Amino acid sequence: NAGVTQTPKFQVLKTGQSMTLQCAQDMNHEYMSWYRQDPGMGLRLIHYSVGAGITDQGEVPNGYNVSRSTTEDFPLRLLSAAPSQTSVYFCASSPRQKAAFFGQGTRLTVV
Amino acid sequence: DAKTTQPTSMDCAEGRAANLPCNHSTISGNEYVYWYRQIHSQGPQYIIHGLKNNETNEMASLIITEDRKSSTLILPHATLRDTAVYYCIVRVPNRSSNTGKLIFGQGTTLQVKP
Repeated sequence: NAGVTQTPKFQVLKTGQSMTLQCAQDMNHEYMSWYRQDPGMGLRLIHYSVGAGITDQGEVPNGYNVSRSTTEDFPLRLLSAAPSQTSVYFCASSPRQKAAFFGQGTRLTVV
Repeated sequence: DAKTTQPTSMDCAEGRAANLPCNHSTISGNEYVYWYRQIHSQGPQYIIHGLKNNETNEMASLIITEDRKSSTLILPHATLRDTAVYYCIVRVPNRSSNTGKLIFGQGTTLQVKP
């Protein structure tokens, strides 16, 4: 039981490049979500999913896409990276009505 | 989800109890209070949650006022490893429309000192 696994742990992108941040959980949790955390700030919700095939926008969705084809995986896609997307990204999962488990984060730098 | 207000920072002596307050004056009757902490930019860690009764687990105690407009997280014997940012969040876990999303505020930075 690995919990919530995020890959990669670190990434440097050039402006305009695209990439996908991976998030996988092996706890059969219904709910998954993506947050970003900028220096000295709290976490802000990007996108979330209540189950396979169902996604919705959070507080700061612009510039990001998600899909949920399986219960286990919830990838976050940056379509055209911008310096403003430099941040630490956290993925979380939870069973219905229970506390969330977070991954260890992906530290992304866009130059 | 109701908004929460927490002090920006607090200090606590090692071995003493750390009492972290949270105001949630607009909380609804069916909203729970959750506490998470984040140690040095790691992923947030769940601590405890409650509705109206006081709760205790192996990590902490949660005291919720009778009117539910505020709560206090208590770490009974703080250690240096408890130095972290503590987030108080209120949300509804038992509604069919619950999405499992959490709305984080700025949190309280707790510094435990030797």
